[in-house]
Amino acid sequence: DVKVTQSSRYLVKRTGEKVFLECVQDMDHENMFWYRQDPGLGLRLIYFSYDVKMKEKGDIPEGYSVSREKKERFSLILESASTNQTSMYLCATAGPAYSYEQYFGPGTRLTVT
Amino acid sequence: AQRVTQPEKLLSVFKGAPVELKCNYSYSGSPELFWYVQYSRQRLQLLLRHISRESIKGFTADLNKGETSFHLKKPFAQEEDSAMYYCALSGPDSGAGSYQLTFGKGTKLSVIP
Repeated sequence: DVKVTQSSRYLVKRTGEKVFLECVQDMDHENMFWYRQDPGLGLRLIYFSYDVKMKEKGDIPEGYSVSREKKERFSLILESASTNQTSMYLCATAGPAYSYEQYFGPGTRLTVT
Repeated sequence: AQRVTQPEKLLSVFKGAPVELKCNYSYSGSPELFWYVQYSRQRLQLLLRHISRESIKGFTADLNKGETSFHLKKPFAQEEDSAMYYCALSGPDSGAGSYQLTFGKGTKLSVIP
C-alpha cells in the first residue's frame, strides 16, 4: 500500500509568516505533486517534481516555492503567507511509467489570519 | 490546452435512483481519463480509469470520443456514495511531467435516504 503523509492536518499561521508544508512517501515514486483544493475551483496544481532536485511550475505557482532534496520528501514553501493562501493543500505521488494513477495524502488545512 | 468540465457542482438523488455525473473534456490526442472520489474526512482516491473498463462499487464510466465525454454512472445510488467526485485527464501533452493530471472542478453527490 502506498503511504503518503503530510506533516500537519491543520495549521494556523499569521500573514507574512514563512510556512513549510511537508509531504513524505514510502513507495519510491519519482513524481510528486502539490495541489490546492478550494470549493468550486477543484484541484489546482501548484508545483510538481519528477526527480530529486527537479521541479516544474504548475498552474498557480505564484507565492509558492518547493524543495525536493530527497526522493521521498517534497516540501511546499509559502515565503510570506497571505490570507488568499488559506486553503486545503494536497500532496500526491505517481510512480510506474505505465500508470498515471496519483496517490494522495490526507491534506493540510492551512488558515492564514 | 486540455480542459475538463464537470457542469454540475451539486447533484442530489434519492437512494435507489440512477446516478450520472457528467464529465466532458477537451484534448487533441488520446487521453487517459479517471474518476477520483473523496468521501467525507477521507483522502482523495482513484475510483476508476477508462483504460481498465471495470466497475468499481457499482460505478462505470465509458469514454465517448465522439462526444468527448466520460460520464460516471451507477444504476442504483446508495447513501454511502455521497462524496465529492472529480473527473481527471492525462496524456502525452500534459507537460514536462506526463503524469500530470488536469482535474475538473468536482461534483458533490448527495444521496437522500
